[in-house]
Amino acid sequence: AQSVSQHNHHVILSEAASLELGCNYSYGGTVNLFWYVQYPGQHLQLLLKYFSGDPLVKGIKGFEAEFIKSKFSFNLRKPSVQWSDTAEYFCAVTYGGSYIPTFGRGTSLIVHP
Amino acid sequence: EAGVAQSPRYKIIEKRQSVAFWCNPISGHATLYWYQQILGQGPKLLIQFQNNGVVDDSQLPKDRFSAERLKGVDSTLKIQPAKLEDSAVYLCASSLGGKESPLHFGNGTRLTVT
Repeated sequence: AQSVSQHNHHVILSEAASLELGCNYSYGGTVNLFWYVQYPGQHLQLLLKYFSGDPLVKGIKGFEAEFIKSKFSFNLRKPSVQWSDTAEYFCAVTYGGSYIPTFGRGTSLIVHP
Repeated sequence: EAGVAQSPRYKIIEKRQSVAFWCNPISGHATLYWYQQILGQGPKLLIQFQNNGVVDDSQLPKDRFSAERLKGVDSTLKIQPAKLEDSAVYLCASSLGGKESPLHFGNGTRLTVT
């Protein structure tokens, strides 16, 4: 079965620090890649997505992610985090012709003011 | 636009009891998903509907879980009888369909089985 790995389970940063959250997947074929975010008390929502084209994609709130096919990775980055970025972040992948996303286990990010 | 509505928000039951969850997707979204999210894990697909037909229920424990979407809009997920390991958040999501359509999630139902 295809899998999605998020190696950082808990990340704690101070405001203005840079962020990079790792995401790796296990499939060598065509993939669509997503990052979802869940703020405290809110529902999961889309942060950004990659389907094709420029491997560096930009999302909402200053987030970006880079698709590196040779590394099967889609890492999420933000140059300077804010306290309001405190949330749970989930990487998700659809494989081949499927449009059912497989989710990673998530990374809990806490940003101290 | 109104989001995906789920009820109840919380439910506590004893093992061997039954429980049902309800979901109303975003208007016009043909595809509906039920996910199970156990604490510390990512969401795991239980079942996917396209309109009122089941597309994928391969990971649904059919001996105790059932789901329906009779008119292609609202959906219910039922567990009967519940086990302790069913304690989780049950998420409903909808999308327009197609692999490039992102999922829109509800707030989920947190189930505790004692």
